[in-house]
Amino acid sequence: DVKVTQSSRYLVKRTGEKVFLECVQDMDHENMFWYRQDPGLGLRLIYFSYDVKMKEKGDIPEGYSVSREKKERFSLILESASTNQTSMYLCASTTGGLEETQYFGPGTRLLVL
Amino acid sequence: SQKIEQNSEALNIQEGKTATLTCNYTNYSPAYLQWYRQDPGRGPVFLLLIRENEKEKRKERLKVTFDTTLKQSLFHITASQPADSATYLCALETGTASKLTFGTGTRLQVTL
Repeated sequence: DVKVTQSSRYLVKRTGEKVFLECVQDMDHENMFWYRQDPGLGLRLIYFSYDVKMKEKGDIPEGYSVSREKKERFSLILESASTNQTSMYLCASTTGGLEETQYFGPGTRLLVL
Repeated sequence: SQKIEQNSEALNIQEGKTATLTCNYTNYSPAYLQWYRQDPGRGPVFLLLIRENEKEKRKERLKVTFDTTLKQSLFHITASQPADSATYLCALETGTASKLTFGTGTRLQVTL
């Protein structure tokens, strides 16, 4: 079974802090994604990566950056956390190619005070 | 960009009935469409994929239809059970391999 893990289930940070969210998948997947999910807005894509050291902006990249140094690991970085980044963050991965379904991690609920 | 509409109001149905959820989109018809289930506090889980040349797809008690003329997909759960209570998301392919656009989801509540 594909397993996508995220480093924390719950996280509380202060405004201005640098925040790292880690995602690891164990199935040698090519593509990895970071989303945030907010009530009424659904899942919105922040960044995605098709390969190691490659990244592309999604729909809402402002205030975020990512890092993919190894194939299995995709990190989301909040350079200076703000209260409007309080959200549920979800990581997903796929093998790549056509008609690929996405495998999601359990999510990290981040609260920025 | 593609806009996806799912009924934001919760759907409440009685156990044993068929639940029908709707996913409408506004722009181009995608090559395929997917449905996911999400339980509270958890990540979405893939259920079914249907291609644009398929009218209907079934998996156990689940059935999905795809009407490119109406720009709509319907998701049915027959003989619904309380364990089916969850939020159901539809997702459309975007023309970029693996990248999907998700709807906001519809919450289904199945009561005894």
